[in-house]
Amino acid sequence: QITLKESGPTLVKPTQTLTLTCTFSGFSLSTSGVAVGWIRQPPGKALEWLALIYWDDDRRYSPSLKSRLTITEDTSKNQVVLTMTNMDPVDTATYYCAHSGSSGWYFDSWGQGTLVTVSS
Amino acid sequence: DIQMTQSPSSVSASVGDRVTITCQASQGISSWLAWYQQKPGKAPKLLIYAASSLQSGVPSRFSGSGSGTDFTLTISSLQSEDFATYHCQQANSFPYSFGQGTKLEI
Repeated sequence: QITLKESGPTLVKPTQTLTLTCTFSGFSLSTSGVAVGWIRQPPGKALEWLALIYWDDDRRYSPSLKSRLTITEDTSKNQVVLTMTNMDPVDTATYYCAHSGSSGWYFDSWGQGTLVTVSS
Repeated sequence: DIQMTQSPSSVSASVGDRVTITCQASQGISSWLAWYQQKPGKAPKLLIYAASSLQSGVPSRFSGSGSGTDFTLTISSLQSEDFATYHCQQANSFPYSFGQGTKLEI
């Protein structure tokens, strides 16, 4: 059974850096064909894809946020970390991590999400 | 970037109804499309992948069709637990993108 859970601060100040951790179980990010992605959803708005890291360490980013995002993995801890610099109130959203690979390049298992509010 | 446009933005229906939601891509994406269901305060759940493949455990009343730029999600006979928001997502090319969502209401 695949599970993922996001953790990190619920409140950050403008200009600060956000660090979110996705801790997962039920799969290995070393297995060929597996990836973990980050997606966010501002309150009442659409889902927005942010970043993806593959089993072979290939990394992809949303072009509109690429300069602010870094996605890394700690295979020994079964964790994927997303950092986003220079946070702004428009970045207030629920941030999800999700597994990809069981059904092709789609997000077949999701974490519960974590709401991050950006406010001074 | 590929833009995904869903219609309608919201739809009212009743238990037992047949409902169809459409998703249009701004350029061809072959069959690289998924549908997700999201209930309030919950994470999205994968329903359909590769445009028409039913994810394991998803009831057969859900079906998907289409290729290229035009796709549909059909719920053949609505159940009470199906009232939720539905999202499409393209996985043809980066950046991945989602539609704006369709809220299915009673």
